[in-house]
Amino acid sequence: ETGVTQTPRHLVMGMTNKKSLKCEQHLGHNAMYWYKQSAKKPLELMFVYSLEERVENNSVPSRFSPECPNSSHLFLHLHTLQPEDSALYLCASSVTGAHKAFFGQGTRLTVV
Amino acid sequence: GQQVMQIPQYQHVQEGEDFTTYCNSSTTLSNIQWYKQRPGGHPVFLIQLVKSGEVKKQKRLTFQFGEAKKNSSLHITATQTTDVGTYFCAGPNAGNNRKLIWGLGTSLAVNP
Repeated sequence: ETGVTQTPRHLVMGMTNKKSLKCEQHLGHNAMYWYKQSAKKPLELMFVYSLEERVENNSVPSRFSPECPNSSHLFLHLHTLQPEDSALYLCASSVTGAHKAFFGQGTRLTVV
Repeated sequence: GQQVMQIPQYQHVQEGEDFTTYCNSSTTLSNIQWYKQRPGGHPVFLIQLVKSGEVKKQKRLTFQFGEAKKNSSLHITATQTTDVGTYFCAGPNAGNNRKLIWGLGTSLAVNP
């Protein structure tokens, strides 16, 4: 069903590690998003890229660094994370604007 | 800031019973979207409502958008175990239509 693919599906990392999450969409969309989903909290929008330009950065700590090399790919680079950063990280894409979003299956991140 | 509230937070029903979740926005919305997330899965777009007073049906699911475009509901008739999951509503941010504001979701459990 999904035209949005995320890798890896699961990731365990130490607080001193550096890792990257990858997202790829095959829907021809021109906006891509990173969301964080934690238990008992609303979906938190982290970053928005529209036409490969970052247009939104919702006060996300600098230990999260996004990259959008083209309209089909989105990365989230992680370094020196904290245990409270453990969550499900969801990538989504859409036509520009707050139109219906198509989500990837997410990366379940655990920081130890 | 703009908020989207959903009630109830949890609902437990017997298979065959009806279910309704309600979504209330602090501001008027240009549209409202509904998503379903199965346990262990990712949010999947269900529907978008745009017009004041709009009602849309998808098989056993009925979606309504209030006259003032500040509230919405999702009603499921004769629930089935396949309906289990969390139902989210989301609407565009009033000041920035690149962002969706999400409700906390209603988690539905269905006893067979």
